[in-house]
Amino acid sequence: DAGVIQSPRHEVTEMGQEVTLRCKPISGHNSLFWYRQTMMRGLELLIYFNNNVPIDDSGMPEDRFSAKMPNASFSTLKIQPSEPRDSAVYFCASSVGQGETQYFGPGTRLLVL
Amino acid sequence: AQTVTQSQPEMSVQEAETVTLSCTYDTSENNYYLFWYKQPPSRQMILVIRQEAYKQQNATENRFSVNFQKAAKSFSLKISDSQLGDTAMYFCAFMKPQGGSEKLVFGKGTKLTVNP
Repeated sequence: DAGVIQSPRHEVTEMGQEVTLRCKPISGHNSLFWYRQTMMRGLELLIYFNNNVPIDDSGMPEDRFSAKMPNASFSTLKIQPSEPRDSAVYFCASSVGQGETQYFGPGTRLLVL
Repeated sequence: AQTVTQSQPEMSVQEAETVTLSCTYDTSENNYYLFWYKQPPSRQMILVIRQEAYKQQNATENRFSVNFQKAAKSFSLKISDSQLGDTAMYFCAFMKPQGGSEKLVFGKGTKLTVNP
């Protein structure tokens, strides 16, 4: 069974450009999470969806960040415009439901120059 | 807000020996879940073990076991018979699922090196 799939695995872009990160959760999982990992702040939740509906977006840094989940098998995290401080590893995770274990994708390593 | 503290930024252990990683957390909740995740150099986040707070029995997964002390809000991870492949960052995480966000709150991590 395939795990959580993320693309791209690496992204290098210039400040001001739009960046779109993609995630396919594990089939049958109802919850999807976007986390960001940096040296300064560690791992922190940006947003999570349950049954395609955003439940908690309190971790989204600012209006430059947006996330969508148009269907149960796909989600995007968009940064527009990107800034050097957005450089981080972005993880997508999914779970079957409340209180269940979250399984992580391999992450997208983003570098904004 | 819940917080998770890992007081050991780095640890090392000889192959085949036992090592214990510490984790404490702060919460006023009674029902919650605790996790240990492993992050090897590949950066993949891998679940090691999970503990439900309502269970008194400590969770065990092969060479990995926890010492869960609910009153002390402590959740340490013991790795027995350490292997070179155990070299990784280890993150302790807390989740309160009822009536709130399902987000995982992570500690800062402990970098474990297993030496041959």
